[in-house]
Amino acid sequence: KNEVEQSPQNLTAQEGEFITINCSYSVGISALHWLQQHPGGGIVSLFMLSSGKKKHGRLIATINIQEKHSSLHITASHPRDSAVYICAVERIQGAQKLVFGQGTRLTINP
Amino acid sequence: NAGVMQNPRHLVRRRGQEARLRCSPMKGHSHVYWYRQLPEEGLKFMVYLQKENIIDESGMPKERFSAEFPKEGPSILRIQQVVRGDSAAYFCASSIRQTSYNEQFFGPGTRLTVL
Repeated sequence: KNEVEQSPQNLTAQEGEFITINCSYSVGISALHWLQQHPGGGIVSLFMLSSGKKKHGRLIATINIQEKHSSLHITASHPRDSAVYICAVERIQGAQKLVFGQGTRLTINP
Repeated sequence: NAGVMQNPRHLVRRRGQEARLRCSPMKGHSHVYWYRQLPEEGLKFMVYLQKENIIDESGMPKERFSAEFPKEGPSILRIQQVVRGDSAAYFCASSIRQTSYNEQFFGPGTRLTVL
């Protein structure tokens, strides 16, 4: 079983819809990262969080340490949000490297 | 302030040749991580380096792969005697990392194709 599991694997929605992507992990972590990978392949760091909630524009990330769960929300989705969203964790033990989920492929149709 | 730079962006090699992938971290960053993304698979950690030191190479294949981050110059990921299974996107990331709060900034990746 993967240490980091994302759901759904694929998500198609209409422009304007509220999007939620989930991430569950099974190890103790010091931080959780949400990344975005565009069709061209480049990776952008969206959020890094260890507790609570962060917001940047239309993106919101939350984490519940007790439940070992994080969610990424996109409000008023737009076709340009179409990308693969990747959850990654830093383990408390064995430190600095990131352990990645398999990614969620999001497609927003106009 | 330039971001993380990788070159080449695309690299084609024939089986048995060597591949050298370069990563220049962001200014002021002394920690470099290499990750590999095989076709249709997720990202996997390969190696974590600081200047002149390999900190964690637990994700590196035991043979043919090596990495360095010299005092001067970029970090190099070297793959000797490439095989078709090495075809993948290789990303590096850099961070300052003074505490466990470790924001990593990713480069654009090098896409290696082995013929």
